[in-house]
Amino acid sequence: AQSVSQHNHHVILSEAASLELGCNYSYGGTVNLFWYVQYPGQHLQLLLKYFSGDPLVKGIKGFEAEFIKSKFSFNLRKPSVQWSDTAEYFCAVNADNAGNMLTFGGGTRLMVKP
Amino acid sequence: DVKVTQSSRYLVKRTGEKVFLECVQDMDHENMFWYRQDPGLGLRLIYFSYDVKMKEKGDIPEGYSVSREKKERFSLILESASTNQTSMYLCASSPPDNYGYTFGSGTRLTVV
Repeated sequence: AQSVSQHNHHVILSEAASLELGCNYSYGGTVNLFWYVQYPGQHLQLLLKYFSGDPLVKGIKGFEAEFIKSKFSFNLRKPSVQWSDTAEYFCAVNADNAGNMLTFGGGTRLMVKP
Repeated sequence: DVKVTQSSRYLVKRTGEKVFLECVQDMDHENMFWYRQDPGLGLRLIYFSYDVKMKEKGDIPEGYSVSREKKERFSLILESASTNQTSMYLCASSPPDNYGYTFGSGTRLTVV
């Protein structure tokens, strides 16, 4: 079964700092990739997704992610974070042998200091 | 606006009780899922369903069962609640092409 690793469990940044959250997965076949965000007290929301094509994907609120197939990675980036980006971020993978199932990483809790 | 609604936001139950968590979606989605969310472990799939009366075990089905009698409703059942089932439970739904899930707000269950 595939697994998803998010190596940073807690990240603390100051406003305007650049963000990069790592995500690696273990499956060698075709994958669909997702980043979800959960703001405090709110439900999970889709931030961005990759299915095929340009490996650099742009999502909402200035986030982007790059799929690097050779590294089995899908890292999330934002050039300048805001206090409102404080949230928990989850990477998720759908493998082509897993039907409609998503496998989630353990999450990264981001705190942005004002 | 599409919605996944979980009937309870917070729930406290006693050890050994039978617990029902309800989830309803209004998007006519075929697929529905139950996850539990625990700190550091992310979301772990308990059960999912791809059609009425169909169910498949996820990664951690032990101690749980599910029911899907109607397309819009997917229930998670804890047959005999235990303290290690204290967690946040998330329901989600998706269309067959899996272009992203829609999540409910979650039910925080505490078993005492």
